[in-house]
Amino acid sequence: NAGVTQTPKFRVLKTGQSMTLLCAQDMNHEYMYWYRQDPGMGLRLIHYSVGEGTTAKGEVPDGYNVSRLKKQNFLLGLESAAPSQTSVYFCASSWKLGEGEKLFFGSGTQLSVL
Amino acid sequence: DAKTTQPNSMESNEEEPVHLPCNHSTISGTDYIHWYRQLPSQGPEYVIHGLTSNVNNRMASLAIAEDRKSSTLILHRATLRDAAVYYCILRRGGGAQKLVFGQGTRLTINP
Repeated sequence: NAGVTQTPKFRVLKTGQSMTLLCAQDMNHEYMYWYRQDPGMGLRLIHYSVGEGTTAKGEVPDGYNVSRLKKQNFLLGLESAAPSQTSVYFCASSWKLGEGEKLFFGSGTQLSVL
Repeated sequence: DAKTTQPNSMESNEEEPVHLPCNHSTISGTDYIHWYRQLPSQGPEYVIHGLTSNVNNRMASLAIAEDRKSSTLILHRATLRDAAVYYCILRRGGGAQKLVFGQGTRLTINP
């Protein structure tokens, strides 16, 4: 079982460069999420999706864009990277946003913006 | 949104029980209590959740106070692999609600 797979695992960018993080899940989950985690802090929600073709803003959406063209994939884009976006990014998925539903997380992408 | 309060860190010994507390004095009637943990260099993983009654699963037990203003995650026999950051999160039922992670409790297990 692959679960939630994130690529790449590590990336270094220069300020102003763009990149896309890919999240893929093989559990047929409807809901997908992107979180970021800064050192010593909890996770903060960037964007999420409740189904193919849908996206919504989370707690810290500025500077990021997302797309959910296929149910199994959720892409996170940085159009013009900034040092403040240096962080570890986690993707997650779930069946639904029900009260007891649990999230499955990927192993993370370590992004450094110089 | 209702908040949770957890100790920043706790320490325990291997093969002993661990009780991780969480205060949520402003919890509402439809808030579920979820626990996740994050092992070093990994994404969070689900541990357990509950609403009013105590819950048990293969990983842990969740004890919820009668007034629901606090809860305790119980690891019955800690191992070195249980060293992680444990997050107590409230999740509102009845509609879309995103998980809000606080800073959690860093649990250290001594051999």
